[in-house]
Amino acid sequence: SQKIEQNSEALNIQEGKTATLTCNYTNYSPAYLQWYRQDPGRGPVFLLLIRENEKEKRKERLKVTFDTTLKQSLFHITASQPADSATYLCALDQNSGGSNYKLTFGKGTLLTVNP
Amino acid sequence: DARVTQTPRHKVTEMGQEVTMRCQPILGHNTVFWYRQTMMQGLELLAYFRNRAPLDDSGMPKDRFSAEMPDATLATLKIQPSEPRDSAVYFCASGGQGRNTIYFGEGSWLTVV
Repeated sequence: SQKIEQNSEALNIQEGKTATLTCNYTNYSPAYLQWYRQDPGRGPVFLLLIRENEKEKRKERLKVTFDTTLKQSLFHITASQPADSATYLCALDQNSGGSNYKLTFGKGTLLTVNP
Repeated sequence: DARVTQTPRHKVTEMGQEVTMRCQPILGHNTVFWYRQTMMQGLELLAYFRNRAPLDDSGMPKDRFSAEMPDATLATLKIQPSEPRDSAVYFCASGGQGRNTIYFGEGSWLTVV
């Protein structure tokens, strides 16, 4: 069966350190993978998209890698700040990039950055 | 600032009652999704529409749930009759044609007692 697993339910790090979150998947052949941020009581907000032919994508302090051989994506936040504390979700397209894209989400990792 | 609008934000209802949740997608977006989020299951896709036509509702319990798009500016999710296990946050999201990212509303927090 298809699965999306995010490495841990919760991750605590010290301010200034790099946070690394993992997303593993099985029985998918996604054309792309996305990361979203969700704050308590709010809907998820899109952060980054990486395509299957891209190894790495960056946006400000965020970096995403995508290894289709390992079936894994890593999401990094460098120089982390308490404001980065949130739940981070990865999402995959179930239709291999076809026009009828359908996003399936992992359960998320709750990141807490301590001052 | 374009955004997805959901109503109601919060709803407490008794078991057996009908619940209707509404969603206004971002203007111009042609794909609308309904997700349900619980602590145990995370975000589950219930149904989604493209150009108002239902594409997939396999994630939705058919006996009590129904989803429709009466027009391009309104999507509805109905539960009849509601049960305590339906208590969750229901999110609507919309996406534009040719784009792969989706935009979520703030959710409808449903409690069935």
